[in-house]
Amino acid sequence: KQEVTQIPAALSVPEGENLVLNCSFTDSAIYNLQWFRQDPGKGLTSLLLIQSSQREQTSGRLNASLDKSSGRSTLYIAASQPGDSATYLCAVPLIQGAQKLVFGQGTRLTINP
Amino acid sequence: GAGVSQSPRYKVAKRGQDVALRCDPISGHVSLFWYQQALGQGPEFLTYFQNEAQLDKSGLPSDRFFAERPEGSVSTLKIQRTQQEDSAVYLCASSPSPEGETQYFGPGTRLLVL
Repeated sequence: KQEVTQIPAALSVPEGENLVLNCSFTDSAIYNLQWFRQDPGKGLTSLLLIQSSQREQTSGRLNASLDKSSGRSTLYIAASQPGDSATYLCAVPLIQGAQKLVFGQGTRLTINP
Repeated sequence: GAGVSQSPRYKVAKRGQDVALRCDPISGHVSLFWYQQALGQGPEFLTYFQNEAQLDKSGLPSDRFFAERPEGSVSTLKIQRTQQEDSAVYLCASSPSPEGETQYFGPGTRLLVL
């Protein structure tokens, strides 16, 4: 059974710092791994999707890496801004049948001005 | 263009009451997923439709939960005889692919059962 874990559960840093969010998964046989952002009262916004054949993906100040063999992914946020404050979730799809997503519990990030 | 919409956005129900949650997917999207997100947790899969066919309902927590998508577009998640543990945000996602690759999420319905 695939399990996804995110550490830490919450993180508070001053504006301008670079930071890393961690995600681990138990079954390395994955199609891809996705990072989402969730703002209070809102749905999920996809940030980055890394295919199983890739090692990293970049979008602006965000960089996500994937190490399938160790069952880990990291989301690196450069030069953090108060607008980055949100909950960040990682998810992997189950392989059998539909790609129903298995999510971690999320990291609640607060960027202090 | 229009994204996935859900209604109502908030619902307060008394324990034992029946509720119906609606999801309007992106037009033309083949697959539709429902997830349940408890406070402080990540979303958990409930059920999946490909067009009007419910192909997977393995995540529904009890027989009080029922979902339908009769015309392969709008979907309704119904919860009968609500209980306090049903309090959560219910998220709907749709995808243009039959298997659900690249899912687009709605804003969710926050259900509070008193």
